[in-house]
Amino acid sequence: EAGVAQSPRYKIIEKRQSVAFWCNPISGHATLYWYQQILGQGPKLLIQFQNNGVVDDSQLPKDRFSAERLKGVDSTLKIQPAKLEDSAVYLCASSLEGRGPYEQYFGPGTRLTVT
Amino acid sequence: GDSVTQMEGPVTLSEEAFLTINCTYTATGYPSLFWYVQYPGEGLQLLLKATKADDKGSNKGFEATYRKETTSFHLEKGSVQVSDSAVYFCALSVRGNDMRFGAGTRLTVKP
Repeated sequence: EAGVAQSPRYKIIEKRQSVAFWCNPISGHATLYWYQQILGQGPKLLIQFQNNGVVDDSQLPKDRFSAERLKGVDSTLKIQPAKLEDSAVYLCASSLEGRGPYEQYFGPGTRLTVT
Repeated sequence: GDSVTQMEGPVTLSEEAFLTINCTYTATGYPSLFWYVQYPGEGLQLLLKATKADDKGSNKGFEATYRKETTSFHLEKGSVQVSDSAVYFCALSVRGNDMRFGAGTRLTVKP
């Protein structure tokens, strides 16, 4: 079974530029999550999708971050414009729909450096 | 809000030493508790979990017991190996899809 795929693995941009990350979850997983992991901290949930609908985006900085999950499969996370404090690893995870607790399967992450 | 607090690292041990990584939690409901592990260059992987008080999760020689009276879920292993070197995250979930992670503890095992 293929795992959660993410691209790119690394990205370096200058502040005020835009960047987009892509995630392909495990086939059949209805729920998709984007996390931000700042160096030395645990992952923090940014947004959760159930199929192509948003379940929780309470911690997403909506003035600069956006995410979509078209057709309930792949997802993209965009930052526009980027700030220095956005430097982090962006993790995508997916889980089966069903009764909890749901095991989340994580991708390898995209390491973003904003200079 | 719901949260977990785990011991700060880094932790450095010799091979075959006993490992304990402390984790305590605060939750408004009845959480499920997890330990995730992140090996160098890889994504987080579920190591073990427990869904109710007094449950013991175990995997790959690691164990953790859900202690409601002390709100703890400490990770233990009797004899660590070099291959156990990784970052370990304690996490909780109350509703089933609201994972809250600790800051992580980096473990280095030396031969």
